Amino acid sequence: ETGVTQSPTHLIKTRGQQVTLRCSSQSGHNTVSWYQQALGQGPQFIFQYYREEENGRGNFPPRFSGLQFPNYSSELNVNALELDDSALYLCASSFNRGHEQYFGPGTRLTVT
Amino acid sequence: GNSVTQMEGPVTLSEEAFLTINCTYTATGYPSLFWYVQYPGEGLQLLLKATKADDKGSNKGFEATYRKETTSFHLEKGSVQVSDSAVYFCALRSLGNTGKLIFGQGTTLQVKP
Repeated sequence: ETGVTQSPTHLIKTRGQQVTLRCSSQSGHNTVSWYQQALGQGPQFIFQYYREEENGRGNFPPRFSGLQFPNYSSELNVNALELDDSALYLCASSFNRGHEQYFGPGTRLTVT
Repeated sequence: GNSVTQMEGPVTLSEEAFLTINCTYTATGYPSLFWYVQYPGEGLQLLLKATKADDKGSNKGFEATYRKETTSFHLEKGSVQVSDSAVYFCALRSLGNTGKLIFGQGTTLQVKP
């Protein structure tokens, strides 16, 4: 059974650019949650996708958006990148909403 | 709203010392509680969990007990090893339909030989 995978591992972008991060959920899981972990902080919930629909959102601006595909993989898109967007972005999949979440290794985004 | 507070780090211990990392929470109802570990350059790994009051979660020599009366979920290990050096996060799972996780700020543990 393959666990949660994320790509790319690392990414460097310039302020104002746009970025897309990808997540493949664990087999049999229909829910994906995204978290942002700034340096030295705990992860913060960005949003969750359940069966291709957004199922809840944290305190993040609309320039953070996402998608979930029929195979339950997911993308996180961030427009108009700001320096403060530099962080580790973690994806977690779960069997269903409210169930235990399994994390991927994360994507380290650096905005210069 | 829901929140989690952990003791400040870093915590530096000698090998075989006793470990306690304090965690308290504020929540509506009785959420499930978790400890996650993050090794350098990696994502989060679930270390242990407890789903109701007085439950004890345990794994790899680590333990934590869900204390409703003190709203706490302190992490303990009787004898730490150098390989336990990592960042430890306490978290609660919200009772809404997302089940989103709310994390503390993390506590860095460094174990010296």
